[in-house]
Amino acid sequence: GNSVTQMEGPVTLSEEAFLTINCTYTATGYPSLFWYVQYPGEGLQLLLKATKADDKGSNKGFEATYRKETTSFHLEKGSVQVSDSAVYFCALKVGHPENAGNMLTFGGGTRLMVKP
Amino acid sequence: EAQVTQNPRYLITVTGKKLTVTCSQNMNHEYMSWYRQDPGLGLRQIYYSMNVEVTDKGDVPEGYKVSRKEKRNFPLILESPSPNQTSLYFCASSLKGGNEQFFGPGTRLTVL
Repeated sequence: GNSVTQMEGPVTLSEEAFLTINCTYTATGYPSLFWYVQYPGEGLQLLLKATKADDKGSNKGFEATYRKETTSFHLEKGSVQVSDSAVYFCALKVGHPENAGNMLTFGGGTRLMVKP
Repeated sequence: EAQVTQNPRYLITVTGKKLTVTCSQNMNHEYMSWYRQDPGLGLRQIYYSMNVEVTDKGDVPEGYKVSRKEKRNFPLILESPSPNQTSLYFCASSLKGGNEQFFGPGTRLTVL
């Protein structure tokens, strides 16, 4: 079956520090990969995505590269801000849209806390 | 404004008392889904719907029902809630085959 493994949190950083949140996956077929972010008290929002090997997704200073050889999609940001404090979820989607292809498989989430 | 709405946002109830959590989207999306979020487990899919009158089980469907009589609405029904259904619930929608799912704000349910 499909699964996503994320590093456990919380991850606590000082403002302007470098961020890496590790994500590895197991999937049948060729998945699309996603990072979603959940700010306190809110639902999840798509942060970035990559749909094929070697693609790099980027948004709001965050980046992640789809590495098929290591089955990984690590999230990075060069300089975090207090406003980046949130829970980050790695997720994958496999399959044809006609066969529940929209179904997302999520990792357990990683809480990021950024201190001033 | 394009959005997914859920009601109620918070609910405390007792074991066995039937409840419904509503979900509505205004983006004309075909696909809708319910997830529950539990610490350390991420989000797990309960049920999904590919279109009106088409629903199917996700990974954790036991104890839940859904219906899709209209495209915009996808209520989650707990016929006889139990304490192990205490969780944070999210509704989501997307275009069929779309890469982005849009999530509602969540419903925090406590079953005593």
